[in-house]
Amino acid sequence: DGGITQSPKYLFRKEGQNVTLSCEQNLNHDAMYWYRQDPGQGLRLIYYSQIVNDFQKGDIAEGYSVSREKKESFPLTVTSAQKNPTAFYLCASSITGTEKLFFGSGTQLSVL
Amino acid sequence: GQQLNQSPQSMFIQEGEDVSMNCTSSSIFNTWLWYKQDPGEGPVLLIALYKAGELTSNGRLTAQFGITRKDSFLNISASIPSDVGIYFCAGQNKMDTGRRALTFGSGTRLQVQP
Repeated sequence: DGGITQSPKYLFRKEGQNVTLSCEQNLNHDAMYWYRQDPGQGLRLIYYSQIVNDFQKGDIAEGYSVSREKKESFPLTVTSAQKNPTAFYLCASSITGTEKLFFGSGTQLSVL
Repeated sequence: GQQLNQSPQSMFIQEGEDVSMNCTSSSIFNTWLWYKQDPGEGPVLLIALYKAGELTSNGRLTAQFGITRKDSFLNISASIPSDVGIYFCAGQNKMDTGRRALTFGSGTRLQVQP
Protein backbone atom coordinates (compact mmCIF):
# COMPACT_ATOMS: atom_id res chain seq x y z
CA ASP A 1 0.00 0.00 0.00
CA GLY A 2 1.19 3.53 -0.77
CA GLY A 3 1.71 5.91 2.09
CA ILE A 4 3.98 7.92 4.34
CA THR A 5 5.90 6.24 7.13
CA GLN A 6 7.31 8.14 10.06
CA SER A 7 9.62 6.57 12.58
CA PRO A 8 10.03 6.20 15.42
CA LYS A 9 6.56 6.83 16.88
CA TYR A 10 8.10 7.99 20.18
CA LEU A 11 11.54 9.51 20.65
CA PHE A 12 13.38 10.87 23.66
CA ARG A 13 16.18 13.43 23.50
CA LYS A 14 18.80 14.12 26.09
CA GLU A 15 20.15 17.59 26.79
CA GLY A 16 22.56 18.74 24.08
CA GLN A 17 21.75 15.84 21.79
CA ASN A 18 20.78 15.92 18.13
CA VAL A 19 18.05 13.52 17.06
CA THR A 20 16.79 12.60 13.60
CA LEU A 21 13.20 11.84 12.69
CA SER A 22 12.63 9.65 9.66
CA CYS A 23 10.02 10.22 6.95
CA GLU A 24 9.65 7.94 3.92
CA GLN A 25 6.96 7.99 1.24
CA ASN A 26 6.20 5.65 -1.66
CA LEU A 27 3.52 7.82 -3.24
CA ASN A 28 5.94 9.18 -5.85
CA HIS A 29 5.26 12.70 -4.59
CA ASP A 30 7.77 15.42 -5.40
CA ALA A 31 6.97 17.70 -2.46
CA MET A 32 7.51 16.88 1.21
CA TYR A 33 6.93 18.89 4.39
CA TRP A 34 7.62 18.92 8.11
CA TYR A 35 5.15 20.47 10.56
CA ARG A 36 5.34 20.81 14.32
CA GLN A 37 2.24 20.50 16.52
CA ASP A 38 2.10 21.66 20.14
CA PRO A 39 -0.84 20.74 22.43
CA GLY A 40 -3.91 22.80 21.65
CA GLN A 41 -2.24 24.49 18.71
CA GLY A 42 -2.26 24.19 14.99
CA LEU A 43 0.45 22.90 12.71
CA ARG A 44 3.45 25.14 12.14
CA LEU A 45 5.67 24.70 9.11
CA ILE A 46 9.32 23.86 9.80
CA TYR A 47 10.78 23.04 6.37
CA TYR A 48 9.53 21.94 2.99
CA SER A 49 11.02 20.58 -0.20
CA GLN A 50 9.53 20.83 -3.68
CA ILE A 51 12.19 18.71 -5.37
CA VAL A 52 15.21 16.53 -4.62
CA ASN A 53 18.29 18.42 -3.39
CA ASP A 54 16.29 21.56 -2.68
CA PHE A 55 14.41 22.74 0.41
CA GLN A 56 13.09 25.96 1.95
CA LYS A 57 12.68 27.21 5.51
CA GLY A 58 9.21 27.46 6.91
CA ASP A 59 7.98 29.63 9.78
CA ILE A 60 9.96 27.97 12.60
CA ALA A 61 13.13 26.55 11.00
CA GLU A 62 15.56 27.66 13.73
CA GLY A 63 17.08 24.69 15.56
CA TYR A 64 16.13 22.23 12.81
CA SER A 65 17.84 20.90 9.71
CA VAL A 66 16.73 18.72 6.80
CA SER A 67 18.10 16.97 3.75
CA ARG A 68 16.47 15.73 0.56
CA GLU A 69 18.90 13.38 -1.13
CA LYS A 70 16.20 11.03 -2.41
CA LYS A 71 12.67 11.65 -3.61
CA GLU A 72 11.28 9.16 -1.11
CA SER A 73 13.01 10.48 2.00
CA PHE A 74 12.98 13.77 3.95
CA PRO A 75 14.61 13.31 7.38
CA LEU A 76 14.37 16.05 10.01
CA THR A 77 17.15 16.64 12.54
CA VAL A 78 16.27 18.40 15.77
CA THR A 79 19.52 19.97 16.89
CA SER A 80 20.67 20.95 20.36
CA ALA A 81 20.00 24.56 19.34
CA GLN A 82 16.25 23.84 19.53
CA LYS A 83 15.60 24.69 23.17
CA ASN A 84 11.99 23.55 23.30
CA PRO A 85 11.82 20.43 21.13
CA THR A 86 8.99 18.61 22.91
CA ALA A 87 6.18 18.37 20.35
CA PHE A 88 4.38 16.11 17.90
CA TYR A 89 6.14 16.18 14.52
CA LEU A 90 4.21 15.51 11.33
CA CYS A 91 5.63 14.76 7.91
CA ALA A 92 3.54 15.18 4.78
CA SER A 93 3.87 14.89 1.03
CA SER A 94 2.00 16.11 -2.02
CA ILE A 95 2.10 16.19 -5.79
CA THR A 96 3.84 19.45 -6.72
CA GLY A 97 1.30 22.04 -7.81
CA THR A 98 -1.48 20.60 -5.67
CA GLU A 99 -2.28 21.51 -2.09
CA LYS A 100 -3.60 18.14 -0.97
CA LEU A 101 -1.18 17.02 1.70
CA PHE A 102 -1.02 13.42 2.83
CA PHE A 103 0.31 13.03 6.36
CA GLY A 104 2.24 10.37 8.20
CA SER A 105 1.13 9.22 11.65
CA GLY A 106 3.61 11.47 13.46
CA THR A 107 6.51 11.24 15.91
CA GLN A 108 6.18 12.39 19.51
CA LEU A 109 9.47 13.86 20.67
CA SER A 110 10.08 14.39 24.37
CA VAL A 111 13.05 15.70 26.35
CA LEU A 112 14.54 13.59 29.12
CA GLY B 1 3.53 35.29 8.26
CA GLN B 2 0.03 34.36 7.28
CA GLN B 3 -2.50 34.04 10.10
CA LEU B 4 -5.52 31.79 10.26
CA ASN B 5 -8.08 32.29 13.02
CA GLN B 6 -10.24 29.23 13.58
CA SER B 7 -13.29 29.14 15.82
CA PRO B 8 -14.61 27.85 18.03
CA GLN B 9 -11.60 26.37 19.82
CA SER B 10 -13.69 23.51 21.16
CA MET B 11 -17.23 22.18 21.06
CA PHE B 12 -19.08 19.65 23.18
CA ILE B 13 -22.33 18.51 21.59
CA GLN B 14 -24.94 15.79 21.79
CA GLU B 15 -25.08 13.03 19.20
CA GLY B 16 -27.38 14.03 16.37
CA GLU B 17 -26.71 17.75 16.60
CA ASP B 18 -25.32 19.79 13.73
CA VAL B 19 -21.92 21.49 14.04
CA SER B 20 -20.50 24.63 12.43
CA MET B 21 -16.97 25.96 12.52
CA ASN B 22 -15.14 28.62 10.55
CA CYS B 23 -11.78 30.00 9.64
CA THR B 24 -10.70 33.52 8.70
CA SER B 25 -7.45 34.63 7.14
CA SER B 26 -5.48 37.86 7.22
CA SER B 27 -4.77 37.44 3.52
CA ILE B 28 -6.47 36.05 0.44
CA PHE B 29 -6.26 32.35 -0.27
CA ASN B 30 -7.08 30.59 -3.52
CA THR B 31 -7.32 27.18 -1.90
CA TRP B 32 -9.01 26.11 1.33
CA LEU B 33 -8.87 22.61 2.80
CA TRP B 34 -10.38 20.97 5.85
CA TYR B 35 -8.64 18.15 7.73
CA LYS B 36 -9.61 15.92 10.66
CA GLN B 37 -7.08 14.56 13.16
CA ASP B 38 -7.65 11.62 15.50
CA PRO B 39 -5.55 11.46 18.69
CA GLY B 40 -1.95 10.48 18.06
CA GLU B 41 -2.40 10.37 14.29
CA GLY B 42 -1.77 12.60 11.31
CA PRO B 43 -4.55 14.77 9.83
CA VAL B 44 -6.69 13.30 7.08
CA LEU B 45 -8.09 15.42 4.26
CA LEU B 46 -11.89 15.86 4.35
CA ILE B 47 -12.70 18.49 1.73
CA ALA B 48 -10.76 20.73 -0.69
CA LEU B 49 -12.14 24.00 -2.11
CA TYR B 50 -10.67 25.87 -5.07
CA LYS B 51 -13.08 28.66 -6.05
CA ALA B 52 -14.66 31.58 -4.20
CA GLY B 53 -18.27 30.76 -3.36
CA GLU B 54 -17.74 27.03 -3.90
CA LEU B 55 -19.88 24.73 -1.76
CA THR B 56 -18.72 21.10 -1.53
CA SER B 57 -20.08 18.12 0.36
CA ASN B 58 -18.55 14.86 1.54
CA GLY B 59 -21.26 12.76 3.15
CA ARG B 60 -22.51 14.63 6.23
CA LEU B 61 -19.80 17.28 5.83
CA THR B 62 -20.28 20.47 3.85
CA ALA B 63 -17.66 23.17 3.38
CA GLN B 64 -17.78 26.56 1.71
CA PHE B 65 -15.12 28.85 0.24
CA GLY B 66 -16.04 32.39 1.32
CA ILE B 67 -16.79 35.02 -1.30
CA THR B 68 -14.10 37.34 0.09
CA ARG B 69 -11.55 34.49 -0.28
CA LYS B 70 -10.51 35.21 3.29
CA ASP B 71 -12.76 32.71 5.03
CA SER B 72 -14.15 29.20 4.92
CA PHE B 73 -16.81 27.26 6.81
CA LEU B 74 -17.33 23.60 7.70
CA ASN B 75 -20.64 22.10 8.74
CA ILE B 76 -21.24 18.59 10.07
CA SER B 77 -24.82 17.40 10.11
CA ALA B 78 -26.31 14.81 12.46
CA SER B 79 -23.10 14.24 14.42
CA ILE B 80 -22.10 10.75 15.55
CA PRO B 81 -19.52 9.62 18.14
CA SER B 82 -16.85 8.89 15.51
CA ASP B 83 -16.88 12.58 14.52
CA VAL B 84 -14.80 13.22 17.66
CA GLY B 85 -11.42 14.72 16.86
CA ILE B 86 -9.68 17.95 15.95
CA TYR B 87 -10.72 19.71 12.76
CA PHE B 88 -8.22 21.97 11.04
CA CYS B 89 -8.69 24.46 8.27
CA ALA B 90 -5.75 25.12 5.97
CA GLY B 91 -5.17 27.55 3.14
CA GLN B 92 -2.71 28.53 0.49
CA ASN B 93 -2.20 31.33 -1.98
CA LYS B 94 -0.51 29.83 -5.05
CA MET B 95 0.50 33.31 -6.16
CA ASP B 96 2.71 33.57 -3.09
CA THR B 97 5.91 32.28 -4.64
CA GLY B 98 7.72 32.78 -1.35
CA ARG B 99 5.63 30.15 0.38
CA ARG B 100 4.53 27.03 -1.40
CA ALA B 101 3.00 25.28 1.59
CA LEU B 102 -0.25 25.23 3.52
CA THR B 103 -0.94 27.46 6.51
CA PHE B 104 -3.03 25.76 9.19
CA GLY B 105 -5.54 27.10 11.69
CA SER B 106 -5.27 26.25 15.38
CA GLY B 107 -8.01 23.63 15.22
CA THR B 108 -11.50 23.00 16.61
CA ARG B 109 -11.68 20.18 19.11
CA LEU B 110 -15.02 18.37 18.79
CA GLN B 111 -16.47 16.08 21.43
CA VAL B 112 -19.73 14.22 20.89
CA GLN B 113 -21.81 12.92 23.77
CA PRO B 114 -23.60 9.66 22.78
